[in-house]
Amino acid sequence: SYELTQPPSVSVSPGQTARITCSGDALPKQYAYWYQQKPGQAPVLVIYKDSERPSGIPERFSGSSSGTTVTLTISGVQAEDEADYYCQSADSSGTLYWVFGGGTKLTVL
Amino acid sequence: EVQLVESGGGLVQPGGSLRLSCAASGFTFSSYEMNWVRQAPGKGLEWVSYISSSGSTIYYADSVKGRFTISRDNAKNSLYLQMNSLRAEDTAVYYCARGDSGSYQFDYWGQGTLVTVSS
Repeated sequence: SYELTQPPSVSVSPGQTARITCSGDALPKQYAYWYQQKPGQAPVLVIYKDSERPSGIPERFSGSSSGTTVTLTISGVQAEDEADYYCQSADSSGTLYWVFGGGTKLTVL
Repeated sequence: EVQLVESGGGLVQPGGSLRLSCAASGFTFSSYEMNWVRQAPGKGLEWVSYISSSGSTIYYADSVKGRFTISRDNAKNSLYLQMNSLRAEDTAVYYCARGDSGSYQFDYWGQGTLVTVSS
């Protein structure tokens, strides 16, 4: 089955740039999506279709794609950005199903 | 404002059944695909099931296929998940999440309902 691989953790100081990667063989063929989840809360979509930002999401959140890797970049990280981040895509090669990466804990030092 | 409110979670014994509901408001429910996504305690997100806007197309994760049934009632703006033959590994917070035709994103999520399978 299709898998997405993320680093378990990323740490940055306030004001620095955080980059969270997500790798998967089907990513060149399917868009990736990114979600932010804070403790005790539901996930929130922060990036869709690799690099689009939903309304209401701060401009410091951006996404990019290169080959089998997509990257979520948070520029000028703020303390409130500390959260778990999940990438997600879909596999339509057979029966359609959705897949999430294992999640990355972003720690703001 | 889009709102999704799940209900029906609780404690159930292994082998038991439970029916989750998700009440939708703030958008034209009948026009949107819907999903269930779950999260085991301290773990990541796992997609569970999808249903098209009309209910004619349904998909399940392999982990629940044959045990769970997704359905919807567009007249009542409601989504359901019938869970049978529950196992300890089904213990999780279950979220309903709105899909988006033309892409595979989950653009709005409910707050979730906790299902605990234990004797």
